[in-house]
Amino acid sequence: QSVLTQPPSVSGAPGQRVTISCTGNRSNIGVGYDVHWYQQLPGTAPKLLIYGNTNRPSGVPDRFSGSKSGASASLAITGLQAEDEADYYCQSYDTSLTGSVFGTGTKVTVL
Amino acid sequence: QLQLQESGPGLVKPSETLSLTCTVSGASISTSSYYWGWIRQPPEKGLEWIGNIYYRGTTSYNPSLKSRVTISVDTSKNQFSLKLNSVTAADTAVYFCSRLRRDYHFFEIWGQGTMVTVSS
Repeated sequence: QSVLTQPPSVSGAPGQRVTISCTGNRSNIGVGYDVHWYQQLPGTAPKLLIYGNTNRPSGVPDRFSGSKSGASASLAITGLQAEDEADYYCQSYDTSLTGSVFGTGTKVTVL
Repeated sequence: QLQLQESGPGLVKPSETLSLTCTVSGASISTSSYYWGWIRQPPEKGLEWIGNIYYRGTTSYNPSLKSRVTISVDTSKNQFSLKLNSVTAADTAVYFCSRLRRDYHFFEIWGQGTMVTVSS
């Protein structure tokens, strides 16, 4: 099963900057497919946070930003707030699946 | 305002078939810009893509589930459905339906999810 690898957890104090990595391979991110990010608050459905590597949907604060380089991508949260405490998932297209692949997920804790 | 709502039994017996329907409101399912997909999340675990369907009926499935999955669409009811047969306890999960943008291939809008437990 092809997956995208994320760190299980990251943490930071309010106001700090945290980053979450998403590592793929030559069947997904590494061959140029876009990376998208989702935020999942406890007990709720995932919500689109970043699409097309760097684009924010309307309503998503500019504290959230995405980047991509080679076979990896990153999500940065600047000015960390208590309400950012959630699980975050990356997602891309995978040629071996001929469909979507999700990251393993990262829990963000605000200290 | 587009909304997606999953419906179906919350309890399924082992070896039987899990059946869920996603009702789309606020927009037509018959649009060329989107696929319609199913994703699941076992308790305390990550997200797993199940499969997608285009309004004309073209499907794509996760190879790990392909032998057991069927996704269908009913444009007259603005619904699409999931069937997963020969279920086991490993299929216990929250099942989400979603609208998938065809150009970027991301899940734009999600339903709230429905918990399905496989147990006798």
